[in-house]
Amino acid sequence: DAKTTQPNSMESNEEEPVHLPCNHSTISGTDYIHWYRQLPSQGPEYVIHGLTSNVNNRMASLAIAEDRKSSTLILHRATLRDAAVYYCILRGYDRDDKIIFGKGTRLHILP
Amino acid sequence: DAGVTQSPTHLIKTRGQQVTLRCSPKSGHDTVSWYQQALGQGPQFIFQYYEEEERQRGNFPDRFSGHQFPNYSSELNVNALLLGDSALYLCASNLDRATGANVLTFGAGSRLTVL
Repeated sequence: DAKTTQPNSMESNEEEPVHLPCNHSTISGTDYIHWYRQLPSQGPEYVIHGLTSNVNNRMASLAIAEDRKSSTLILHRATLRDAAVYYCILRGYDRDDKIIFGKGTRLHILP
Repeated sequence: DAGVTQSPTHLIKTRGQQVTLRCSPKSGHDTVSWYQQALGQGPQFIFQYYEEEERQRGNFPDRFSGHQFPNYSSELNVNALLLGDSALYLCASNLDRATGANVLTFGAGSRLTVL
């Protein structure tokens, strides 16, 4: 079973910030939080990951709660091309750790 | 730098047939994982290959088998196809390291339709 919980869908207006939440209450001390997104008719693509501190890259920001039981993916200025399914997953320390995906959040962007 | 390539992109089979899907990992990657994604669902982990051996397996029957070659490419085989095997099959690769920071690179998938 997936170790994370996300809303099934969210909606946002174009050029506005989007905050995608994820709950992972059973996270262990060595689990990294990863976000992937899947555009229509494509395979998932990596967005961002973090362990404890907030992270920024050219695609998004990741805000991690102090107790690490939840996190938020932030798209600072959503465009129509950001419409996708966003998956929050946990990745453990073990080399053979199998990544388990949930159903993700389908993000709709309104023009 | 080529990412993960999968073939074929689409294929149609009939019940009871067998299918082989192929995957070439991203350059520099040595670990390959396979996922099945039914319509409207998240990817489901099938198995992972490293050093030409199956290292981890998800909850899939023995009809699903795989192979990894010395050049790290991989094949997924499904025997005795069922209608429920219709799905997008995704291959993902990564470099084997003991760290949770390991990032997966996915291919675009092979769309299998079983009639």
